[in-house]
Order: sequence, then C-alpha cells, then structure tokens
Amino acid sequence: EVKLEESGGGLVQPGRSLRVSCVASGFNFDEYAMHWVRQVPGKGLEWVSGITWNSGNIDYADSVKGRFTISRDNAKNSLYLQMNSLRGEDTALYYCAKDGGSSGWFWLDAWGLGTLVTVSS
Amino acid sequence: QSALTQPASVSGSPGQSITISCTGTSNDIGNYNVVSWYQQYPGKAPKVIIYEVNERPSGVSNRFSGSKSGNTASLTISGLQAEDEADYYCSSYTKSNILLFGGGTKLTVL
Repeated sequence: EVKLEESGGGLVQPGRSLRVSCVASGFNFDEYAMHWVRQVPGKGLEWVSGITWNSGNIDYADSVKGRFTISRDNAKNSLYLQMNSLRGEDTALYYCAKDGGSSGWFWLDAWGLGTLVTVSS
Repeated sequence: QSALTQPASVSGSPGQSITISCTGTSNDIGNYNVVSWYQQYPGKAPKVIIYEVNERPSGVSNRFSGSKSGNTASLTISGLQAEDEADYYCSSYTKSNILLFGGGTKLTVL
C-alpha cells in the first residue's frame, strides 16, 4: 500500500522559515517524481513544486519561486520543502503527492493527509 | 499562471449524467494530453479519477470518463449516485513546466 506521511507543519511568524517533510512507503520512491500541493482550507488546490526521480528537473509555482526549495533523499524515501520568507498567503494545508511518472509532471496518483502551515504573528 | 477555468458548481439527480468542463489555453490543455481529474471529499485528500485525458486508474468506476477538445477538457459522470457528491478538480501540464489546477467544481446530487 502506498503511503505518504507529511510532518513539520505548525505556526510560524511572517518572514520566518519552516521545513516540511514527507516520508514515503509502499513503492519504489526513487523511481517517481514527487510534488507538493497546497490548499487553503475551503479553497482550491495549488501546485507548489515538483521534483523528478533524480532531482534533475525541479520547478516551482511563481508564487513561491525564490522562497521555497524542494529536495529529496532517495536513501531515506523522503521529500522536503524548505519554505523561507513565509507570508500570510502561504497559510495552507501542504500535501505531498506522488507522480504517476518519473521524469516529468503527469498525474498525482497518491496523496498524503497533509500538514498544516499557518503563517501569523 | 492563472488557474484553469471550471464552473463553480454543477448539480444533477441520481441516475442522470453531468459534465464538468475545464478550459485552458494552447499553453496547457490545448497542447498536452497530460490532463487529469481529482475527486475530493470534505476533509479528505484528493484522489485521481482520470489521467492522460481519458484513462481511469484501477478501481475507479467506469461511470467516470474524460475527454478533450481544443483547449477544453471535460469530465462526465454517468448514472449519478449520491456518493459522487464531492469537489472535482482538473489539472494540466503546461508549457511553463508546471502543473496547473482548475478552481474546482462542487457537485451536488439532488
């Protein structure tokens, strides 16, 4: 069974940093691209960032480019999102999601339960 | 990076068919067959129900089908059931190397 478990969310002040993590199990983590998708409670989904199996292709939504960094550790079956210079509009539930492919962005065939990030003073 | 355009809400009676549209541009839906659809129940994570325009993952009911024409993708649910009441999101790969979601459609089963 594919399982994705996020952690690291919490309350953080504007301008500060936070790193969220995702541990994967039930599939060969090093064979698939991975993503972060966020959702403000009661609102729609927003793709944040994606990373291919070997970290060779990485990209970000314009709203986070230059502030967020995605990375992965295939030896630890883990995905990370380093979030710097956080703003109120970054407040959301952050989902870790598995891509159906390895070398690009295709479809998200497994999702975690999410970790809530709240940016507020 | 404007979101793909979906109707905010659709409704139908049990047994009927409904279609949800998802309109993009030639930079996304119009030039890539990487369109997927997600179903989300309140308080739950999304689940993929259609990928690559019209492919269904294993375990997804064949009442769900997808199609594409030009810059618009569509999700059709036939034989509507109460359990289909949920939010639905489309997504497409884009020329900018990002995944773009639609704003979401709330389906109400009357």
